[in-house]
Amino acid sequence: NAGVTQTPKFRILKIGQSMTLQCTQDMNHNYMYWYRQDPGMGLKLIYYSVGAGITDKGEVPNGYNVSRSTTEDFPLRLELAAPSQTSVYFCASSYSPTYEINEQFFGPGTRLTVL
Amino acid sequence: AQSVTQLDSHVSVSEGTPVLLRCNYSSSYSPSLFWYVQHPNKGLQLLLKYTSAATLVKGINGFEAEFKKSETSFHLTKPSAHMSDAAEYFCVVRGPGASGSARQLTFGSGTQLTVLP
Repeated sequence: NAGVTQTPKFRILKIGQSMTLQCTQDMNHNYMYWYRQDPGMGLKLIYYSVGAGITDKGEVPNGYNVSRSTTEDFPLRLELAAPSQTSVYFCASSYSPTYEINEQFFGPGTRLTVL
Repeated sequence: AQSVTQLDSHVSVSEGTPVLLRCNYSSSYSPSLFWYVQHPNKGLQLLLKYTSAATLVKGINGFEAEFKKSETSFHLTKPSAHMSDAAEYFCVVRGPGASGSARQLTFGSGTQLTVLP
């Protein structure tokens, strides 16, 4: 299994540009997550999904959109890039049956710079 | 909402000496707690998790953590540091977080561990 894969690894955007960060997992996990990590900080949850067709906001959703048309894919969309969105973005997935607690598996991250 | 505080942003130890990374948590009920490690330019990897079973939890690579409810702590330890342990370590508590989701993970700000030869 490849686990959680993210593309691209690095990207530089100009203010106002848009882009999609791709995330795919091959573990048949129903839960998927997007986090951002700013320098010297822990990860903050942007959006999450509990299954295909279902998404919900995390702690810092403003400026982002997501979709979940399949179990495997959970892309993150930035519509109008701003310098405040310069960060490292991590996608994660987990298999989480009700009342059980399972670890989240993380992708390698996408380093985004907005200039 | 749950929260965690990692008491040290940087810890330096010599190779072969013990490691102690400190974490305090705040929770309105019995929490689920995790330690994750992040090596440079890599994603996060789970070291260990506490889910209200044994209070002393053993993880990978010789790490362990002890849940102490009276002290609201979940410190990470290792008897003997190895050069490959140099990384950033995150203490994490499981929801509900600021979003209200019971499954949300709330991360501490991280502790950078340096291992000196």
